[in-house]
Amino acid sequence: DIVLTQAPLSVSVTPGESASISCRSSKSLLSSKGITSLYWYLQKPGKSPQLLIYRMSNLASGVPDRFSGSGSETDFTLKISKVETEDVGVYYCAQFLEYPPGTFGGGTKLELK
Amino acid sequence: EVQLVESGGGLVQPGRSLKLSCAASGFTFSDYAMAWVRQAPKKGLEWVATIIYDGSSTYYRDSVKGRFTISRDNAKSTLYLQMDSLRSEDTATYYCARRGTLDYWGQGVMVTVSS
Repeated sequence: DIVLTQAPLSVSVTPGESASISCRSSKSLLSSKGITSLYWYLQKPGKSPQLLIYRMSNLASGVPDRFSGSGSETDFTLKISKVETEDVGVYYCAQFLEYPPGTFGGGTKLELK
Repeated sequence: EVQLVESGGGLVQPGRSLKLSCAASGFTFSDYAMAWVRQAPKKGLEWVATIIYDGSSTYYRDSVKGRFTISRDNAKSTLYLQMDSLRSEDTATYYCARRGTLDYWGQGVMVTVSS
């Protein structure tokens, strides 16, 4: 199975500053159709997860453009510019290239200073 | 507005069964694959099962294969997860989600397996 490793485990950010979260895959997530099957989700405290980014760099519906995704075939970054209080929670990357099973990273907790 | 509402959770003894339901609205249910994802207390997310739009193909993680059955009733816009031979390690909040890539999630339902 593909393993996704996120870093850091937690990050503390001053509101208005930027934050970056890394996700590294044990295998390339680039499909034969040229699609990179890497997704980002945010789980706010006490809530269900919500999709932020699909196919590595595409913003999901309703997600502020402060969020952006980038990367290569195996190394990915979620960047949050000008962090706001509503961005607090746990961020997960996930892959659906090799499916089943879909796999998630271990999560990165974002807190405010 | 897409809405997914799970039900059917609760406390169950090891070895017993439980059936979860997920009522969908706000989209054409029969056009989409659906999935179940779980989260053990204080742990991360774990994909459980997926069923394609017409129910003709299903996929499971290895640890639930042969014990869990995902199904759907497109006429009722409802997704199901039949869970048999439950184990303590199945204790988790279970979420239903739209698409294999999980673009919308329900609020989750808690399943506790304990004697």
